[in-house]
Amino acid sequence: AQSVTQPDIHITVSEGASLELRCNYSYGATPYLFWYVQSPGQGLQLLLKYFSGDTLVQGIKGFEAEFKRSQSSFNLRKPSVHWSDAAEYFCAVGGGSQGNLIFGKGTKLSVKP
Amino acid sequence: EAGVAQSPRYKIIEKRQSVAFWCNPISGHATLYWYQQILGQGPKLLIQFQNNGVVDDSQLPKDRFSAERLKGVDSTLKIQPAKLEDSAVYLCASSSVGFGEQYFGPGTRLTVT
Repeated sequence: AQSVTQPDIHITVSEGASLELRCNYSYGATPYLFWYVQSPGQGLQLLLKYFSGDTLVQGIKGFEAEFKRSQSSFNLRKPSVHWSDAAEYFCAVGGGSQGNLIFGKGTKLSVKP
Repeated sequence: EAGVAQSPRYKIIEKRQSVAFWCNPISGHATLYWYQQILGQGPKLLIQFQNNGVVDDSQLPKDRFSAERLKGVDSTLKIQPAKLEDSAVYLCASSSVGFGEQYFGPGTRLTVT
């Protein structure tokens, strides 16, 4: 069965420091992979997606993610975190034939001054 | 372009009562999704519509949950009767095609007491 694991429930980083959020997936075929961000009281916003091609994908707000098939991972990175990046981040895999998404449990990011 | 609209934003009901949520997707989006997000977890798909037809409702608790999308535009999700474990945020999303980017509404936070 398809699944997504985000091992870190909560991460705290200092403003200006680099960030890496981990995501591992289980999927039988070539996956479609996504990262979404959710601010308090808001819906989810797509940061980036991987369908095929270049395994390093660029997203909005300075985020990037790298697809590593051998490790079944799709980690999200940002070289310098801003206070406004504090939010919850969800990794998702596109499952089934109809495009529905399977989400991980999320990683809450706190940013300290 | 207007985003996905949902109402109400908050709802508090007692167990065994009924409740309905409304969603208006982005204009022209054929695919509409309802997700349930329990506190501390990622969103879980409840039902997916393509135009006004259901393409996936495998995780919808059909004994108490129902959804419809008349005329292939807006949609309602109903719970009757509600249980304590239905307390969650209900997210609506839409996309122009399957596997396209899903755009999420702000969600409805349901509290069942």
